[in-house]
Amino acid sequence: DIVLTQSPASLAVSLGQRATISCKASQSVDYDGDSYMNWYQQKPGQPPKLLIYAASNLESGIPARFSGSGSGTDFTLNIHPVEEEDAATYYCQQSNEDLMYTFGGGTKLEIK
Amino acid sequence: QVQLKESGPGLVAPSQSLSITCTVSGFSLTSYGVHWVRQPPGKGLEWLVVIWSDGSTTYNSALKSRLSISKDNSKSQVFLKMNSLQTDDTAMYYCARNSLKGGLLYYAMDYWGQGTSVTVSS
Repeated sequence: DIVLTQSPASLAVSLGQRATISCKASQSVDYDGDSYMNWYQQKPGQPPKLLIYAASNLESGIPARFSGSGSGTDFTLNIHPVEEEDAATYYCQQSNEDLMYTFGGGTKLEIK
Repeated sequence: QVQLKESGPGLVAPSQSLSITCTVSGFSLTSYGVHWVRQPPGKGLEWLVVIWSDGSTTYNSALKSRLSISKDNSKSQVFLKMNSLQTDDTAMYYCARNSLKGGLLYYAMDYWGQGTSVTVSS
């Protein structure tokens, strides 16, 4: 199974600055011309919310300050400028060619 | 609007089985896949299984022997059964819809239920 490693495990970013979260896959999640990496935000007591799909596509209704990039095994979620409401835990998730899904371990974002 | 709602027993005794239901509205199970994902208290997300619109399934290989998923399209319900529960199966269990945009299947989960909490304890 593909393992996703997120870093850092936690970070604190000042209001208005940039937050960058990394997700590294144990093998490529690219196939059929797409990168099968997605990003979610989860706040306490709530289910996850899809932010980014297929590595760089912004889900409908998600603010443009969220962006995703990467391919192969290395992916990044950027949030800029960070707002207070962005305090949450962020997860990457992949699906491989066998349609097995895995999540990263999560990154907790604190707003200073 | 799209909604998913999980329902379950809340408390399960060790070694017993768990049956939970996801009732959906606002979309058809004949068009969309539905996943089950769980989250132990204070921990991360673990994907369990997906059932696709055609009824085909893919299971988490580590849990495959203990899981069973099925659905009733006419009732808009998806069912998850897990056998031989232990204390480390205590978690919030979520169902989530697989994303389909403009006829293109994206392997992401775009709508989630609020989850049903399952505690394994005697």
